[in-house]
Amino acid sequence: IQMTQSPPSLSASVGDRITISCRASQDISNYVAWFQQKPGKAPKSLIYAASSLHSGVPSKFSGSGSGTDFTLNISSLQPEDHATYYCQQYNSYPPTFGPGTTVDIK
Amino acid sequence: QVQLQESGPGLVKPSQTLSLTCTVSGGSFNSGPYYWTWIRQRPGEGLEWIGYVYYSGGSYYNPSLKSRVTISLDPSKSQFSLKLNSVTAADTAVYYCVRDCFKDRVGMDVWGQGTTVTVSS
Repeated sequence: IQMTQSPPSLSASVGDRITISCRASQDISNYVAWFQQKPGKAPKSLIYAASSLHSGVPSKFSGSGSGTDFTLNISSLQPEDHATYYCQQYNSYPPTFGPGTTVDIK
Repeated sequence: QVQLQESGPGLVKPSQTLSLTCTVSGGSFNSGPYYWTWIRQRPGEGLEWIGYVYYSGGSYYNPSLKSRVTISLDPSKSQFSLKLNSVTAADTAVYYCVRDCFKDRVGMDVWGQGTTVTVSS
């Protein structure tokens, strides 16, 4: 299953709300996860099952979608949100990841 | 709190075997709804799922790597390992070990810090 993300990159200001889109090449129900990867660091798990937050993840992160189209929203953007965000499908094996969306802070 | 830590050589010669170990601490390794997983990230690229091993010893690999990969576990040491043979420069990457919780489809929830492996003579 191929995963695509848009936009490839975006630049936003502190306090902004941003949306990242992810599309699957076929229906994957709600089996989508989102990860945040800061430069030089390991990915961090943010969201599973399209909209459930992992423990300890702040509520400024939210996810939605089902079928083939999914979104990650980040509200009240802060400098520490500078990172690349990946979606991943795990409806069928092998799990596959999107190419990532890099978020810069103006 | 569960922690994962990768270890192994940072440099491997072409055609040889890449061997990495992941040590699991702070939680249950010998049971539980977990797939113990390896993922890699080539320089400047995205994430590639390599495969997993289950506590019973069962495993599943990415078809693109299946002919070269073995993932095994050592419950007595709370470790699981990755072996990738016949490596080339294309296997140069950061390798992550990851816990994948299949109960309630929680998915990948704990990541190691990653270890860089360079394939070069």
